[in-house]
Amino acid sequence: DAGVIQSPRHEVTEMGQEVTLRCKPISGHNSLFWYRQTMMRGLELLIYFNNNVPIDDSGMPEDRFSAKMPNASFSTLKIQPSEPRDSAVYFCASSPQGSGANVLTFGAGSRLTVL
Amino acid sequence: AQSVTQPDIHITVSEGASLELRCNYSYGATPYLFWYVQSPGQGLQLLLKYFSGDTLVQGIKGFEAEFKRSQSSFNLRKPSVHWSDAAEYFCAVGEFGNEKLTFGTGTRLTIIP
Repeated sequence: DAGVIQSPRHEVTEMGQEVTLRCKPISGHNSLFWYRQTMMRGLELLIYFNNNVPIDDSGMPEDRFSAKMPNASFSTLKIQPSEPRDSAVYFCASSPQGSGANVLTFGAGSRLTVL
Repeated sequence: AQSVTQPDIHITVSEGASLELRCNYSYGATPYLFWYVQSPGQGLQLLLKYFSGDTLVQGIKGFEAEFKRSQSSFNLRKPSVHWSDAAEYFCAVGEFGNEKLTFGTGTRLTIIP
């Protein structure tokens, strides 16, 4: 099992540019989560999907952020336009249904720097 | 709404000494409780979890945690720390029927020789 795979691991961009972060969950996992980690705010849940359907996007900061899950093996988090305050580490996590629900497996994260 | 408090931002422990990291939660019913560890530049790894039953749960790497309902606590312990335990530790709370987890702000653990 390759685990949760995120790309890119590091992204440096300029303010105003579009950023797309990608995530491949563990095969067979039904839920996918996007978290953001900053020194000031810690780990914040941005959005999560169950069976490819967005369930809770109340953590998405504003309209500049969007997330999609077109199929069970792929999700994207897009920021357009990016701003310096978006600089953070973005984590994707997945979990199975049933007795394993709530047990999240995290990817290694995508570190975003917006200049 | 559920919440988690980790009162210690940073703890320093000598190698070989015992460790206890504190976690308090706020939730009306019986929570699901978790401890995760994050090494520098890495994602979060599950150490242990509590769903129900025995209030003392064992995890990986020699860690254990005890659920105390009366104190709304789920403290993490290890009898003897190793230099490789230096990392950031996160407590998290979830609930039955809702898959998302709420994380505490983390405790950074430094090990000194």
